[in-house]
Amino acid sequence: KAGVTQTPRYLIKTRGQQVTLSCSPISGHRSVSWYQQTPGQGLQFLFEYFSETQRNKGNFPGRFSGRQFSNSRSEMNVSTLELGDSALYLCASSLTGTNSPLHFGNGTRLTVT
Amino acid sequence: AQTVTQSQPEMSVQEAETVTLSCTYDTSESNYYLFWYKQPPSRQMILVIRQEAYKQQNATENRFSVNFQKAAKSFSLKISDSQLGDTAMYFCAFMKHVRGSTLGRLYFGRGTQLTVWP
Repeated sequence: KAGVTQTPRYLIKTRGQQVTLSCSPISGHRSVSWYQQTPGQGLQFLFEYFSETQRNKGNFPGRFSGRQFSNSRSEMNVSTLELGDSALYLCASSLTGTNSPLHFGNGTRLTVT
Repeated sequence: AQTVTQSQPEMSVQEAETVTLSCTYDTSESNYYLFWYKQPPSRQMILVIRQEAYKQQNATENRFSVNFQKAAKSFSLKISDSQLGDTAMYFCAFMKHVRGSTLGRLYFGRGTQLTVWP
């Protein structure tokens, strides 16, 4: 069974631009969550989706948004990029969310210049 | 709010030896899950072991085992017979158990970089 797939693996963007990251969960998994990883803040929860609905959201500004499609694939969008948005963005999927282990992808490394 | 603390930023161990990574957490929840994830240079977060808080028996997965002390809110990871491939960043994580909910948010510690040397 294929794992969680994140695309692209690397992105370089300029301050002020916007970016869209994609995540394809493990087949059969209906919950997708996103995390931001930086050296300074560690791993921080962005949001979680289940059945196309956002179920939980972390403490990030409105520039960070996401969505989930009917096939459980998810995208996250960051608008008006800032230098501090440079990070590794990790996507994880699970069968139902709670009580189910999260399986992570390899992440997308975003660099904002 | 839930917090997870890993007090050892770095550790090293010789191949074939045993090493223990520490983790403490703070929560007012009574039902929850605890995890150890490893993140090698490939960046992928890999689940190492999981513990349900309602189970008193410590979880084991081959060379990996935990010492779960619920009253002390401690959750340490023991790696036996360390191998070079165990070199990675290890994260301790907490998840609330919410009955009837689909919320699966993980709260992570800051990680412990483990280096296994020959």
